[in-house]
Amino acid sequence: QQQVKQSPQSLIVQKGGISIINCAYENTAFDYFPWYQQFPGKGPALLIAIRPDVSEKKEGRFTISFNKSAKQFSLHIMDSQPGDSATYFCAASGFSQGGKLIFGQGTELSVKP
Amino acid sequence: GAGVSQSPSNKVTEKGKDVELRCDPISGHTALYWYRQSLGQGLEFLIYFQGNSAPDKSGLPSDRFSAERTGGSVSTLTIQRTQQEDSAVYLCASNLGAGELFFGEGSRLTVL
Repeated sequence: QQQVKQSPQSLIVQKGGISIINCAYENTAFDYFPWYQQFPGKGPALLIAIRPDVSEKKEGRFTISFNKSAKQFSLHIMDSQPGDSATYFCAASGFSQGGKLIFGQGTELSVKP
Repeated sequence: GAGVSQSPSNKVTEKGKDVELRCDPISGHTALYWYRQSLGQGLEFLIYFQGNSAPDKSGLPSDRFSAERTGGSVSTLTIQRTQQEDSAVYLCASNLGAGELFFGEGSRLTVL
């Protein structure tokens, strides 16, 4: 079964805190792991992505940590801001999937001022 | 426009009616995808078109669902004999066949 499992389902963080969202996958053929951000009424948009040849990728306040042996990856949002309040989806893809992404269930993040 | 365009943005229909949802991808994008997002659920893959290849229909939930892509551009997702469980946001995305997906804002379908 080609699944991506995401947790938690919802997350409340105080402004300035660290938000952490976790994902686990099953298919070892996956080789592309993006995170998407979705605001209400909008389509998801790519936030940051990683390939398994590196263990960490950082872009501004957003960092992906990747653990190939555990088949897990996570998104860390440093200095979380109210504007970060959105739904976050992890995803995975591999050559056998063509270009399609398999998405996790989503995490609704709320950052309180 | 430069982005993925979907229409209608909202559709309310009665159970048993057929509906058509349209997607206009980014110009030049060879791949087009349909996903479904139900309340509180993740993004469920439905179907994927890549160039002139046969579409990947592995995510279509029943034979009431079908999609076509004409001329390698615009796509229409058709749901026949709609049921209440079909109520969801239907999202279209496009790209060059790999990497970042560019999503439209979705078509919200409500089946009464």
